[in-house]
Amino acid sequence: DSGVTQTPKHLITATGQRVTLRCSPRSGDLSVYWYQQSLDQGLQFLIQYYNGEERAKGNILERFSAQQFPDLHSELNLSSLELGDSALYFCASSVESVRETQYFGPGTRLLVL
Amino acid sequence: AQTVTQSQPEMSVQEAETVTLSCTYDTSESDYYLFWYKQPPSRQMILVIRQEAYKQQNATENRFSVNFQKAAKSFSLKISDSQLGDAAMYFCAYGSTGANSKLTFGKGITLSVRP
Repeated sequence: DSGVTQTPKHLITATGQRVTLRCSPRSGDLSVYWYQQSLDQGLQFLIQYYNGEERAKGNILERFSAQQFPDLHSELNLSSLELGDSALYFCASSVESVRETQYFGPGTRLLVL
Repeated sequence: AQTVTQSQPEMSVQEAETVTLSCTYDTSESDYYLFWYKQPPSRQMILVIRQEAYKQQNATENRFSVNFQKAAKSFSLKISDSQLGDAAMYFCAYGSTGANSKLTFGKGITLSVRP
């Protein structure tokens, strides 16, 4: 158990819908990272938040957004969903940056039908 | 942009034997971090080992060790005394410390362990 929690574990929805994925970091970690793992794109970094502020951005679509709340949990919002958004979405946390190890949550499996 | 290449999609090893997984990366940065993560069938991402680029000494964690060749931009993982539980997908990752700090992953390699 990494100490990072993600809910829900599984999500099935339809094209055009909007979903919210939730992540709670390890105790003491201020940074949260979101990754997408799909068969064709592999593991891709989406976005990082540090202590409530966006710090780094990767290949995140405009239809996707994230935020980190004062209690440090984070949410990833995916809207206008397409079939290609079906993937495993990971949240990871670290104390501050990539200088420390990132610990991954169990992931949320999203299936868009 | 940094890239990470794992050229072998699959490897197989006999139980109790040693196997080496290859990884190369491309970067112009001098300060960075390298990681190997394991992803078993449960899909959980588990850290295996990490290496700081400024350290010349190769990292070791029990049966896992790395061969870090900074000039060659190579970062291979050696698994000694392979066990059935080592069967998984292994990802090499590059950690950039620059302005857009992030992890860049290779495509992964599937390791199977023969009993």
